Amino acid sequence: QVQLVQSGAAVKQPGSSLRVSCKASGGSLAHHTIAWVRQAPGQGLEWMGGVIPIFNSPKYAQKFQGKVTITADKSSSTAYLEFNSLRSDDTAVYYCARGSQFTSRPWFFDLWGRGTLVSVSS
Amino acid sequence: EIVLTQSPGTLSLSPGERGTLSCRASQHINNDYLAWYQQTPGQAPRLLISGASSRASGIPDRFSGSGSGTDFTLTINRVEPEDFAVYYCQQYGSSPQTFGPGTKVDMK
Repeated sequence: QVQLVQSGAAVKQPGSSLRVSCKASGGSLAHHTIAWVRQAPGQGLEWMGGVIPIFNSPKYAQKFQGKVTITADKSSSTAYLEFNSLRSDDTAVYYCARGSQFTSRPWFFDLWGRGTLVSVSS
Repeated sequence: EIVLTQSPGTLSLSPGERGTLSCRASQHINNDYLAWYQQTPGQAPRLLISGASSRASGIPDRFSGSGSGTDFTLTINRVEPEDFAVYYCQQYGSSPQTFGPGTKVDMK
């Protein structure tokens, strides 16, 4: 069955850039919203935004607009979360998750990646 | 945006007991679009319930969801050792979708 495979953990310095990937394995998710959810250390879940690979037109939570870039490659059913200038408060686990099909409407997430730990420290 | 409040913050239970978790919304949730997730340490969240009361595939029937409007409940009947975890509610009836802060269920 379909799984979401995320890129590995990263340790970065403040001000550096990073791209986290999320690839659908065992099937295509080109028509589904792939969302990104942040979990800071010891904290809860925050929806950051999402993208439907076939449309590649991302939608962002207001808090993360301008701070991250979400893109997708429909040919490989891969979504990306990009940081241009990391800060220490970007330290978190970032999950990708499958949402609604064909629309970017709010939806529940029935399939999750295992998460990518991003640590930002000098 | 809709703010979700979960109570209690921590619920201490013994295996075999029944647990009741609450999720209250600051506004009416359209279509009762309320989901519940379970997260164990070091793991990704797992969908338990969508649409307030529909169990996701493979979820044991000791988990049940109820409620409508602004007040929702997740009930765990006969808690099993693997159920000790953090539980989050999420509303997806309005944009942006939002999560509650979570309820930790631990062993008494």
